[in-house]
Amino acid sequence: QKEVEQDPGPLSVPEGAIVSLNCTYSNSAFQYFMWYRQYSRKGPELLMYTYSSGNKEDGRFTAQVDKSSKYISLFIRDSQPSDSATYLCAMANFGNEKLTFGTGTRLTIIP
Amino acid sequence: DGGITQSPKYLFRKEGQNVTLSCEQNLNHDAMYWYRQDPGQGLRLIYYSQIVNDFQKGDIAEGYSVSREKKESFPLTVTSAQKNPTAFYLCASSIAVDNEQFFGPGTRLTVL
Repeated sequence: QKEVEQDPGPLSVPEGAIVSLNCTYSNSAFQYFMWYRQYSRKGPELLMYTYSSGNKEDGRFTAQVDKSSKYISLFIRDSQPSDSATYLCAMANFGNEKLTFGTGTRLTIIP
Repeated sequence: DGGITQSPKYLFRKEGQNVTLSCEQNLNHDAMYWYRQDPGQGLRLIYYSQIVNDFQKGDIAEGYSVSREKKESFPLTVTSAQKNPTAFYLCASSIAVDNEQFFGPGTRLTVL
């Protein structure tokens, strides 16, 4: 079993819809949680970074962490065609330089 | 204009040849990392360095080597011992351990 599980998709939704992307994890020591967006043939871009349970909002993006269920989510409101990309979740322990990544979910927003 | 640069963007190598990928950052970050990305496998850590003149193996270090002679630079050498080197290579940096990592644009290596 992988430490981090992420549905690879592909996921297609119409423009303006709310998108929900999710990851589950098995290592209860994970304390830091990140979401990256990666456009085709580009490096990942950090979208959200959080280290506590609950919600963190930044514009159209909301990151949600539920440590009791070992489950994290990224919500995208009012989705735009420019949101079409692969979304990677990543997580780490305290004092650990290593990030453990999910495999990524490929998202397409249909105009 | 701060950031992480990687060169070249595309690299072709014949089997049996060593090749070096460049990574430079002007963010004044102490920590630097090399990842490999393959379809369906996410990112896997090759090597990382927390300070100059020090580096540690990641999960898949076999067939790779690195150096960290300057804070700004962390080159990766893919040696002929790496059995399956064709992949997308990503360099990242962070202020320190426990901080978010920022990625460069990547180098796509193809072995012919």
